[in-house]
Amino acid sequence: GNSVTQMEGPVTLSEEAFLTINCTYTATGYPSLFWYVQYPGEGLQLLLKATKADDKGSNKGFEATYRKETTSFHLEKGSVQVSDSAVYFCALIPSGGYQKVTFGTGTKLQVIP
Amino acid sequence: ETGVTQSPTHLIKTRGQQVTLRCSSQSGHNTVSWYQQALGQGPQFIFQYYREEENGRGNFPPRFSGLQFPNYSSELNVNALELDDSALYLCASSLGQRNTEAFFGQGTRLTVV
Repeated sequence: GNSVTQMEGPVTLSEEAFLTINCTYTATGYPSLFWYVQYPGEGLQLLLKATKADDKGSNKGFEATYRKETTSFHLEKGSVQVSDSAVYFCALIPSGGYQKVTFGTGTKLQVIP
Repeated sequence: ETGVTQSPTHLIKTRGQQVTLRCSSQSGHNTVSWYQQALGQGPQFIFQYYREEENGRGNFPPRFSGLQFPNYSSELNVNALELDDSALYLCASSLGQRNTEAFFGQGTRLTVV
């Protein structure tokens, strides 16, 4: 079946540090890949997405590249802010079939001033 | 354009009771999916409704059931509540059952005591 594995947290960084959150997936074919963010007490917000190999998704300074050869979709940001503190979920939707989003377990990011 | 809205935001129920959660999909969206997010975990797919028909289901028992109405709003019903049903329940809507983007509501926090 489909699965998503992401690095365990929590990740604690100082403001303006470089962020990488690793994500790898298992799926047949060419799934669409996503990063969602969840702020405390809130639902999920779509951060970025990529729908085919070598696509780069980007939003609010965050980036992730769909790497088919390594089945990865690592999230990066060059300079984090305190306001980026949240839980980040890597996710996929399989190609074909109905839209079932498979999520990773989430990585909590804490940015300290 | 309104986003996905869920009600109620919080709910406390007793073991063995039944509960109904509601979701209004984003304007123009005809597909609704429901997810269960236990504390510290990623969301787990419960089922999806497309044009009032269930067309996909995750690994949840039959006491989890749903409905989608002609206006594409949806309900999640859970019978015979168990303590492990305590979680954040998320609704997501999209346009088309194979669309690559789902928009999530803020969720309903259910506590079973």
